[in-house]
Amino acid sequence: QQQVKQSPQSLIVQKGGISIINCAYENTAFDYFPWYQQFPGKGPALLIAIRPDVSEKKEGRFTISFNKSAKQFSLHIMDSQPGDSATYFCAASKWGSQGNLIFGKGTKLSVKP
Amino acid sequence: KAGVTQTPRYLIKTRGQQVTLSCSPISGHRSVSWYQQTPGQGLQFLFEYFSETQRNKGNFPGRFSGRQFSNSRSEMNVSTLELGDSALYLCASSLAGTGMGYTFGSGTRLTVV
Repeated sequence: QQQVKQSPQSLIVQKGGISIINCAYENTAFDYFPWYQQFPGKGPALLIAIRPDVSEKKEGRFTISFNKSAKQFSLHIMDSQPGDSATYFCAASKWGSQGNLIFGKGTKLSVKP
Repeated sequence: KAGVTQTPRYLIKTRGQQVTLSCSPISGHRSVSWYQQTPGQGLQFLFEYFSETQRNKGNFPGRFSGRQFSNSRSEMNVSTLELGDSALYLCASSLAGTGMGYTFGSGTRLTVV
């Protein structure tokens, strides 16, 4: 049972473009939604996270949009750069159990110069 | 400030053997979680520890076990290794109760032959 579904599996974007990655969750008890970035040979690094009481959160070029009724959330990377090329994972957990994250399958992003 | 340290970085074991992996969390972090990452299954939660107590456990067989010491360092053990246990094992730590996200280490790459 896949509780967090992520799409697309891979994404190619031109430098300066917008990268959009989508996730959908099933468990309505989830109330903490982080995004992680992973480079080859490294562990995932927390990019940005959101809770359901807000519909959008922005940090620099990264924005999370959250739709509670649809049980969906997405990551937007504005002005995508070649250095953003990595695998991105969405995740979900219950607040207070952030150590028990349910991850999506990941999206491999390639930003072409 | 040192990050999450996992040792060893690489390990090759034979089927049927057992293995112990080590994780030193960021200084002051008392919560430690472990994840298994494989190309097929992605990132899967193994267990979470706080103050030497296991708070949550993922859906893995009893061959997978862990513990946390009084200095918050953690170990995980896999007994009777199977070929399918080949994976990247990731440890993550956090200041529990703060709502902060988890910081991952670079992982231990286990290969079972």
